[in-house]
Amino acid sequence: NAGVTQTPKFQVLKTGQSMTLQCAQDMNHNSMYWYRQDPGMGLRLIYYSASEGTTDKGEVPNGYNVSRLNKREFSLRLESAAPSQTSVYFCAVNRGGNYGYTFGSGTRLTVV
Amino acid sequence: QKEVEQNSGPLSVPEGAIASLNCTYSDRGSQSFFWYRQYSGKSPELIMSIYSNGDKEDGRFTAQLNKASQYVSLLIRDSQPSDSATYLCAVRDTGRRALTFGSGTRLQVQP
Repeated sequence: NAGVTQTPKFQVLKTGQSMTLQCAQDMNHNSMYWYRQDPGMGLRLIYYSASEGTTDKGEVPNGYNVSRLNKREFSLRLESAAPSQTSVYFCAVNRGGNYGYTFGSGTRLTVV
Repeated sequence: QKEVEQNSGPLSVPEGAIASLNCTYSDRGSQSFFWYRQYSGKSPELIMSIYSNGDKEDGRFTAQLNKASQYVSLLIRDSQPSDSATYLCAVRDTGRRALTFGSGTRLQVQP
């Protein structure tokens, strides 16, 4: 997953706790995305950012906030975690054209 | 109705056979189509993209697109056990800025 770094790789939260998932790219592309992946559900878009300073909601934004403070970094925040947010979270960068998206290695989050 | 549909599988083929993976999509105006491979516990990685009707070949992989039927497929020739993974179809819909993914087809290649 050269180029897209996600932290942490694993996290266990208690219901109601908050946390921020970090994503950073070194490929200098504009568009970045947060997806969640649940068994049998495929990848669902949470939020995306077409460029620095802009963000838009995706398919499943409730319970999440995002921040794109610079071109390199796009963070996802859970303000009050719920068991329904137990999932694997992937950050992706759009490399454009035939290159599609490059994904980070993922964060496996469990909310108990 | 889910916008990108895939059979969840598992699709089981013997080593050396051709594996055929299928995907249908709902938005007739969709512009671009991608196939990703995802090994268990790993992140998706791009195999191929296709934009025009017809076939596109890359090594053992062939992507096929039929916009009239809203259908895209991936053929894997000479399947190897290392091809065993989940294959995700992704579509960029009209006006969208992000890819919509199908739920994936799990492929098992039997030695």
